[in-house]
Amino acid sequence: AQSVTQPDIHITVSEGASLELRCNYSYGATPYLFWYVQSPGQGLQLLLKYFSGDTLVQGIKGFEAEFKRSQSSFNLRKPSVHWSDAAEYFCAVASGGTYKYIFGTGTRLKVLA
Amino acid sequence: GAVVSQHPSRVICKSGTSVKIECRSLDFQATTMFWYRQFPKQSLMLMATSNEGSKATYEQGVEKDKFLINHASLTLSTLTVTSAHPEDSSFYICSAGGTRGGYGYTFGSGTRLTVV
Repeated sequence: AQSVTQPDIHITVSEGASLELRCNYSYGATPYLFWYVQSPGQGLQLLLKYFSGDTLVQGIKGFEAEFKRSQSSFNLRKPSVHWSDAAEYFCAVASGGTYKYIFGTGTRLKVLA
Repeated sequence: GAVVSQHPSRVICKSGTSVKIECRSLDFQATTMFWYRQFPKQSLMLMATSNEGSKATYEQGVEKDKFLINHASLTLSTLTVTSAHPEDSSFYICSAGGTRGGYGYTFGSGTRLTVV
């Protein structure tokens, strides 16, 4: 069965520090992978997506993610976190072309000043 | 481009009444729309898939008679929560998929439903 695992429920980092949010997926074929960010009470904003090609993808707000097929991972990274990055981050997988998502449980990021 | 508009953003209703939530694709045609539900501090769970001109497909455990979905056009899908109860209080969010324009990863801004 398809699934997405985000092992870290909460992460706290200091402003300016680097960040890595983990995401592992289980999917039979080549997945479409996404990272979304959700601020409290808000909808989802797409940070980046991977469909095929270069396994290192760049997104908005200085985020990037690397697709590693051998590890079934799609970890999100940012070299220097800003206080405004505090939010909930969701990794998701979708079957190709349908955009029917399976979401991970989310990682809540807290940024210390 | 690829904007999905969802209304209302917040709604409070009395127990036993019905509430309609609209999801519109503003600048593209969406042959398929998805409805998700998110309980506080939890992830988003797919409720149903809405296909233009046909019946919606519901996920296991979702009551189709309680959550009525209509997808009458390529730009509009509606979710009606019938006979709402406090346990239906949640954050409902839609996304458009299977689009002719290729935009399948845009979500609406969500609707916070509170049943009192």
